Amino acid sequence: KAGVTQTPRYLIKTRGQQVTLSCSPISGHRSVSWYQQTPGQGLQFLFEYFSETQRNKGNFPGRFSGRQFSNSRSEMNVSTLELGDSALYLCASMIAGTEETQYFGPGTRLLVL
Amino acid sequence: KNEVEQSPQNLTAQEGEFITINCSYSVGISALHWLQQHPGGGIVSLFMLSSGKKKHGRLIATINIQEKHSSLHITASHPRDSAVYICAVVYNTDKLIFGTGTRLQVFP
Repeated sequence: KAGVTQTPRYLIKTRGQQVTLSCSPISGHRSVSWYQQTPGQGLQFLFEYFSETQRNKGNFPGRFSGRQFSNSRSEMNVSTLELGDSALYLCASMIAGTEETQYFGPGTRLLVL
Repeated sequence: KNEVEQSPQNLTAQEGEFITINCSYSVGISALHWLQQHPGGGIVSLFMLSSGKKKHGRLIATINIQEKHSSLHITASHPRDSAVYICAVVYNTDKLIFGTGTRLQVFP
């Protein structure tokens, strides 16, 4: 089976712009979670989608949003980018539950100038 | 105080040494993950534990729910084990809290 894929792998944006990141889970996995990793804050949970519904959400401002499509692919959007949004954004998929192994994608490295 | 604490933060070892990384948490959890992150960002999920002990190759993970503590052991360490090891706990059914990670370097 192909692993979790994320596109694009690298992205450079300027402050105030918006960005959309994409994640394709492993075939058959219905849960997709998004994480932000920065040197200062480490790994932080953004949100989780399951069957096209946001099931759980971390403590991030409303500028961070996401959605999931019927094929389980998920997108994450960040509007009005700030310098502090520069990070590695990771997505992970699971079959359905939370007490399962998560499979991580390679990440999208976002640089905001 | 972080809800998930890892120790040590940094660890260096000679090839062949036995390594232990510790994770303590303060919340009630339903499961705990050990993750490995190599330079460049790629993350691999090593174990998911809710009780007892799991072994995979040279890696062993244990968890003591009563003591709110988990350990990751690497036997016969190798330079390719050099990575950041992250502990993450599952609480409130759905939420994940991550530790700050332990940076391991194994020298030949």
